[in-house]
Amino acid sequence: DSGVTQTPKHLITATGQRVTLRCSPRSGDLSVYWYQQSLDQGLQFLIQYYNGEERAKGNILERFSAQQFPDLHSELNLSSLELGDSALYFCASSPRFWSGSTTGELFFGEGSRLTVL
Amino acid sequence: EDKVVQSPLSLVVHEGDTVTLNCSYEVTNFRSLLWYKQEKKAPTFLFMLTSSGIEKKSGRLSSILDKKELFSILNITATQTGDSAVYLCAVFLGGADGLTFGKGTHLIIQP
Repeated sequence: DSGVTQTPKHLITATGQRVTLRCSPRSGDLSVYWYQQSLDQGLQFLIQYYNGEERAKGNILERFSAQQFPDLHSELNLSSLELGDSALYFCASSPRFWSGSTTGELFFGEGSRLTVL
Repeated sequence: EDKVVQSPLSLVVHEGDTVTLNCSYEVTNFRSLLWYKQEKKAPTFLFMLTSSGIEKKSGRLSSILDKKELFSILNITATQTGDSAVYLCAVFLGGADGLTFGKGTHLIIQP
């Protein structure tokens, strides 16, 4: 158990709908990362938050947005869903912002599997 | 564009065999390379490598990095069915961009 909690575990919805995925990082971790994993693309970095502020954006679509709250939990909002958005969405946390002294190790949650029909 | 390429994509061997998984990278501002094991869900951390030529070992698993040739290998000796998983290689670029992952090697160990 990594200490990172994600809900829901599974989600099935229809095209055009909107969903929210939730993540609680490990106790004390300030950075939260969201990744998307599909069969053909592997793990793709979406976005990073550090202590409530957005720090980096990866391949995140404009239909997707995220935020990190004062209690450090994070939510990923996916809207106008398309079939191609079906994937496993991972949240990961790390103790601090990337700096020269960090190792880069991330602690992953179990993921939220989204199926868009 | 930063790129991490793993090979093979899939590998099926018998229990007791030794396997070598490859990871090559073309990135800017390299800081470290990490290996993760993904069984059913969450990737779990195996190794982190920053220096060339220094082998990291954990039981039957070992890994080494070659920063000149820009690759790393992960070796698993005396494989067991419990080693069946997707092995992910990732590069940490030292910025705020998280880890850049390869597509993984799907390893299947047959009894």
